[in-house]
Amino acid sequence: GAGVSQSPRYKVAKRGQDVALRCDPISGHVSLFWYQQALGQGPEFLTYFQNEAQLDKSGLPSDRFFAERPEGSVSTLKIQRTQQEDSAVYLCASSQSRQGRLLTANEKLFFGSGTQLSVL
Amino acid sequence: GQQVMQIPQYQHVQEGEDFTTYCNSSTTLSNIQWYKQRPGGHPVFLIQLVKSGEVKKQKRLTFQFGEAKKNSSLHITATQTTDVGTYFCAGPLDNYGQNFVFGPGTRLSVLP
Repeated sequence: GAGVSQSPRYKVAKRGQDVALRCDPISGHVSLFWYQQALGQGPEFLTYFQNEAQLDKSGLPSDRFFAERPEGSVSTLKIQRTQQEDSAVYLCASSQSRQGRLLTANEKLFFGSGTQLSVL
Repeated sequence: GQQVMQIPQYQHVQEGEDFTTYCNSSTTLSNIQWYKQRPGGHPVFLIQLVKSGEVKKQKRLTFQFGEAKKNSSLHITATQTTDVGTYFCAGPLDNYGQNFVFGPGTRLSVLP
């Protein structure tokens, strides 16, 4: 597609419910990132994939958070037993760059519109 | 861990006034990126700076990377209402990683 696509755009969940957020990156982009953005804050890194390999999940706040990218394209962020503190915008970003080589000019992140999660 | 800070947190200016936001990292950065997020929107890439002391211009926007590669600034000349939004700087965790640490952002309001 022309850009990074995320769905759903909005999700309201009851506390304790499981949710799944989808990200469809730009075709051919190797790297995929998930960020969490609380209201009025900057994006906070959650996890990073290079193709299907999850190379860094150090930002996932708890073991209730799980992300996958089984075929190296679409990714899903799953949150189990949602809590009110999980309420935030979840942003997905993709880039052409690949870990293991020096960053060069224009290794920019393309963000999707995000999923706004509200946990009641 | 690495921290990226930005000041000010908020800035209100009259249309036509200049605006500057400053970004500081606790560690030396291999490069720094700037993003703009409009209200209700998502971050959009503006520019990347790589070299020590680098200065880049985009129309009314001037970006600078410090000599020590630990700080950066974004200056907007003669602000317009279209400049409204939050400006984030972001630095990679290391030279080879792809994990960017974002600053908390500076929210710019432009009064017509």
